[in-house]
Amino acid sequence: GQQLNQSPQSMFIQEGEDVSMNCTSSSIFNTWLWYKQDPGEGPVLLIALYKAGELTSNGRLTAQFGITRKDSFLNISASIPSDVGIYFCAGGGSSNTGKLIFGQGTTLQVKP
Amino acid sequence: NAGVTQTPKFQVLKTGQSMTLQCAQDMNHNSMYWYRQDPGMGLRLIYYSASEGTTDKGEVPNGYNVSRLNKREFSLRLESAAPSQTSVYFCASSDRAIDSPLHFGNGTRLTVT
Repeated sequence: GQQLNQSPQSMFIQEGEDVSMNCTSSSIFNTWLWYKQDPGEGPVLLIALYKAGELTSNGRLTAQFGITRKDSFLNISASIPSDVGIYFCAGGGSSNTGKLIFGQGTTLQVKP
Repeated sequence: NAGVTQTPKFQVLKTGQSMTLQCAQDMNHNSMYWYRQDPGMGLRLIYYSASEGTTDKGEVPNGYNVSRLNKREFSLRLESAAPSQTSVYFCASSDRAIDSPLHFGNGTRLTVT
């Protein structure tokens, strides 16, 4: 089946550092979504991207929809302790199924 | 302003027991979903309901059944639980198409011994 490769799997950074993570696929997607999951809770939508090349910000978060439509990137600037959690990418609207496909997640830990 | 509500939050079952996970949304969304989350596997779709009255299999449907009771409620049933079904289960809903943003509940942590 379709797969998204999300990297890195985990990150342990110092407060104040910038963070980058990405998702790649062999399939083309029409939608890229980024979610954050806090411990013991469900994923919450951070950013939604609907157009190839689109660059969207949400506070300290910036995400881009890759030109090839096969990848997406999420950057977090000046990390703070509450950024801790698991970040998921999800691709949707591909030619095969149209259903959202999730990456494996990036676990972020921030050291104060 | 509850969003998506799941019950129970935690459950322990013995192999072979049955149970139903409940989910309700108050956002008037058309589509509802059940996912399972396992370490290193991300979120995998079990079943979904694109609209009231319809249900379809997702990526990992074996061992599960669903019921779209009405527009608000979508339940997931395990008829004969197996240890491989130990997981965290998330219900989600969305306004329209299958690939539109999902709103998740807080999950049900299920352990099958």
